[in-house]
Amino acid sequence: EVQLLESGGGLVQPGGSLRLSCTASGFIFNSFAMNWVRQAPGKGLEWVSGISASGNRTYYADVVKGRFTISRDNSRQTLYIQMNSLRAEDTALYYCAKGWEVYGMDVWGQGTTVTVSS
Amino acid sequence: SYEVTQSPSVSVSPGQTARITCSGDALPNQYAYWYQQKPGQAPVLIIYKDSQRPSGIPERFSGSTSGTTVTLTISAVLAEDEADYYCQSADRGGTYWVFGGGTKLTVL
Repeated sequence: EVQLLESGGGLVQPGGSLRLSCTASGFIFNSFAMNWVRQAPGKGLEWVSGISASGNRTYYADVVKGRFTISRDNSRQTLYIQMNSLRAEDTALYYCAKGWEVYGMDVWGQGTTVTVSS
Repeated sequence: SYEVTQSPSVSVSPGQTARITCSGDALPNQYAYWYQQKPGQAPVLIIYKDSQRPSGIPERFSGSTSGTTVTLTISAVLAEDEADYYCQSADRGGTYWVFGGGTKLTVL
């Protein structure tokens, strides 16, 4: 079964850092791009960052560029996002999603919650 | 950055056809994708590359494109189709992904 399992969420103070992980199973991880997508409480989906299958190309939404860093370890079938200088507006449920057919995302995890508050 | 725009809500009665549109300048050049999200659940991909359906998605879901607008059509709507629907695409350079703001489909 194809699965994505996020972890690493929690409560962090403004200005703090957090690293999220997403462990994949059931598919050839190093063959697919991966993405992070977030959803603030009661709001819509927001693409955060993407990374190519090999990890040599990374992409970021303007609102996180310079603060977040996406990476992957294909040997561990794990996707990461390092989040620094966190702000209250980064509070959201963070999903990892498997890339599909150019820009799509066909498999989603259940998400991990990040709360930025003092 | 780049944006795609959806209408916030659509309401239809069971058995009718629902149409949800999404507009963006790069849509003539980039594929569109559609996702369904029900409360408390992760999104589900229902249309990819403008009009393709993943396996397991009912035929009543279809996608089309015309210029800068893409459309998700749900034929013979069922009560279970009540959900939020999001379009997604990328900018002309293919380096910036974007979701629309979402459309809430209400089945009356």
